[in-house]
Amino acid sequence: NAGVTQTPKFQVLKTGQSMTLQCAQDMNHEYMSWYRQDPGMGLRLIHYSVGAGITDQGEVPNGYNVSRSTTEDFPLRLLSAAPSQTSVYFCASSRGQGTGNQPQHFGDGTRLSIL
Amino acid sequence: AQKVTQAQTEISVVEKEDVTLDCVYETRDTTYYLFWYKQPPSGELVFLIRRNSFDEQNEISGRYSWNFQKSTSSFNFTITASQVVDSAVYFCALRELGNTPLVFGKGTRLSVIA
Repeated sequence: NAGVTQTPKFQVLKTGQSMTLQCAQDMNHEYMSWYRQDPGMGLRLIHYSVGAGITDQGEVPNGYNVSRSTTEDFPLRLLSAAPSQTSVYFCASSRGQGTGNQPQHFGDGTRLSIL
Repeated sequence: AQKVTQAQTEISVVEKEDVTLDCVYETRDTTYYLFWYKQPPSGELVFLIRRNSFDEQNEISGRYSWNFQKSTSSFNFTITASQVVDSAVYFCALRELGNTPLVFGKGTRLSVIA
């Protein structure tokens, strides 16, 4: 009964380092997305994917890359970490095409600090 | 473009009081979906309810109730007889038809004091 699994749960990086946040789901969901949560800003969409091989930018994509080579996995890459990327990151998934009414299932989040 | 506004940043109530969390949304679509999520102090996001744009019936689930009014583009959430365990950040969210992103409001932090 795993649902959406995010790793790691916590990470501290130095400015300029690179890192990949992992997200995996076992529900065969087509739609996956990444959000960041900052105090007073709610959840803002970084990137999303409607299926394997398809990704698109959200509201705050700069500084982040994604790929979707399989249905199950949707990693988020920080190529050169900046202090402004200190945040809590959530991955979410839901059933896809034509099912906008499906609730998104969220992972437990990754708390990332950039020094 | 879709937008969700939660004007109340923080609310504090005494236990057993009723409290209403406001949510106002904007969309050009005629078919859309509204959601409420709860984020307790432990940090996870918990799905509470989904409402379709063509179903304006209010819903009650225990101490929770939701009032959906298309005429005012609002989807408000009321907790009756609040409890300390209701202390959390509550997010309202909107998703348009198809493979569109879920857009969140900035959240309302509810503190219930014993």
